[in-house]
Order: sequence, then structure tokens, then C-alpha cells
Amino acid sequence: GENVEQHPSTLSVQEGDSAVIKCTYSDSASNYFPWYKQELGKRPQLIIDIRSNVGEKKDQRIAVTLNKTAKHFSLHITETQPEDSAVYFCAAGSYGQNFVFGPGTRLSVLP
Amino acid sequence: GAVVSQHPSWVICKSGTSVKIECRSLDFQATTMFWYRQFPKQSLMLMATSNEGSKATYEQGVEKDKFLINHASLTLSTLTVTSAHPEDSSFYICSAIERDTGANVLTFGAGSRLTVL
Repeated sequence: GENVEQHPSTLSVQEGDSAVIKCTYSDSASNYFPWYKQELGKRPQLIIDIRSNVGEKKDQRIAVTLNKTAKHFSLHITETQPEDSAVYFCAAGSYGQNFVFGPGTRLSVLP
Repeated sequence: GAVVSQHPSWVICKSGTSVKIECRSLDFQATTMFWYRQFPKQSLMLMATSNEGSKATYEQGVEKDKFLINHASLTLSTLTVTSAHPEDSSFYICSAIERDTGANVLTFGAGSRLTVL
């Protein structure tokens, strides 16, 4: 089955700096890679996703890159703001199926 | 957009009692719903996949007789924690995939925090 690793487990950045979170996956059949943001005690919210036929996707301050050969994908947040502080989960899966989530990264943006 | 409602949002019960959590897709039909468990500071762990009209598929290590899942309609799945014990205290979250849209987006419920005394 799929196994997803995520690093770092915690990340602190100064407001305005960039944050990068990296994930690796094991199942080459996985073709969909979403990223979720979860604030304390709340539901995970999809922030960006990428399919395996795309190498990079950007949405304002958030971007995701995918390297299928190496089986890793990354989340990039630029110009970080205090409201970006949350736990971020990467996930890997296949079309129409459940995803396997990474262990999460707790991001703290310091004012 | 798609909305999933989960109820109750929090529940406290005595050890040995059973608790039912509901997961409803409000504005779409969900052929498949998923149930997760999340311990503090940990990731979402899939417990089971709930398919409308058929038996749920449980992940390894999840006791199907303890965590009863029913998906009787395209908009409702329920998780019943039977004979709850303190170690069952956790945050339970459901998610759903919209039927027949070709979308691969999971919509999550708000979660249910269970505390077993």
C-alpha cells in the first residue's frame, strides 16, 4: 500500500519569509496529490492539489511541485502571514479513492 | 460548494455506553464516505470506507464490531462506537466524495470530539 512521509514535522518562519514542506510517496500508481490545512480542532481544508500529469501548480502565494520519478512533492508558501499558522498535511492517492495522509507539519509564522 | 455536516460536534459519555456519529452530505450524493480518527498532534488515520448499500471496508487493526458503520443512503453514513472506553476518546472525522462528478476532492465534516469518562 501507499506510504507517505512528510518533513519537517515542525517549521517556524518569520512573517514574510517562505515555507517549504516536502513529502515522499511509495506507490507509483498514485496520481493525485492534495494538500490540506488544518487549524486546531477544525476540519482539514483543501488548499491546493496537483495531478500526476502536471509538474507544478501555483495559486497566489501557494505552489506545489511534483517529481514523479523521485516520488516526491512539495508545498511552497511565499510571503507567509500569521494566519498561515496551522498543521499542513500532504496526501497521495488515486482517482476517486481515499488518500493516504502524511504525518503533518506544524507551521508557525512568527510576527 | 460541497458541504458535509457531522453531528454531534462533541460528545461526552460514560465508559461502556455506545455513541453514534452522523455524517451527512448536504448538497450532493456521496457514494463513498470515509471515517478517520485523529489523535492529538497526529495525522488523519483512515478507519474504514463506507459504501452506500454495502458493508464497510475496514482498515487493518480497526475492530468492525466495535466501530459499526452504516451507509443506508447516498447522503448519510453513521459511525457507532460500541461499548466505548477511555482509549476510544479521539477526534473522529468523516469525508465524502461526490458521486459521478469525476472529481477527486474529499469534502470533510467538521469532526466529532469524543470523550469517554
